[in-house]
Amino acid sequence: DAKTTQPTSMDCAEGRAANLPCNHSTISGNEYVYWYRQIHSQGPQYIIHGLKNNETNEMASLIITEDRKSSTLILPHATLRDTAVYYCIALHGSSNTGKLIFGQGTTLQVKP
Amino acid sequence: EAGVAQSPRYKIIEKRQSVAFWCNPISGHATLYWYQQILGQGPKLLIQFQNNGVVDDSQLPKDRFSAERLKGVDSTLKIQPAKLEDSAVYLCASSLGAAGVSSEQYFGPGTRLTVT
Repeated sequence: DAKTTQPTSMDCAEGRAANLPCNHSTISGNEYVYWYRQIHSQGPQYIIHGLKNNETNEMASLIITEDRKSSTLILPHATLRDTAVYYCIALHGSSNTGKLIFGQGTTLQVKP
Repeated sequence: EAGVAQSPRYKIIEKRQSVAFWCNPISGHATLYWYQQILGQGPKLLIQFQNNGVVDDSQLPKDRFSAERLKGVDSTLKIQPAKLEDSAVYLCASSLGAAGVSSEQYFGPGTRLTVT
């Protein structure tokens, strides 16, 4: 599975959009981009995933560049409850295990 | 829908003692995972079950760690004997699908183990 690179930390003002970048320059054609987040003292929580097209759900939007070498997770109106570590993971579409390989992630601090 | 349940939430033991963790996945989920999360790091997969069979245990330290999933539902993870470096949060997750991209994983709250 491709390695992903994320900034260590980011700040965002409450009510503003939080844009979290992820680089995955070695991603292969059948690897999906997954995003999970982990709020302090909780288990990770699935947010969204995508392959080529942009995706949106009730939590966030995922924008994947045309060359698929990078993506951005967008939280449209960040709240204090969105303060968490955000993990970007590349997962092979035909993986036999669905094994998630977590990196260090980005610590997002939403400030009042 | 009830989430993934884990117990205990916290455990403190001395090195060389044994410990066991329990996980009850979401009803109907075929796949169950155990992860280890050391402070400051992302979770690392220890073992994955598909129903009651092991799919991946390549990262499980088999000399001291063991896991089972009897009847394809609940699972237990055991450490015997524990070492100081086993201090971590042990997370259980489950997914509906067999594997791959159909398998959005749902995580439990974890068990925080401290080995002194």
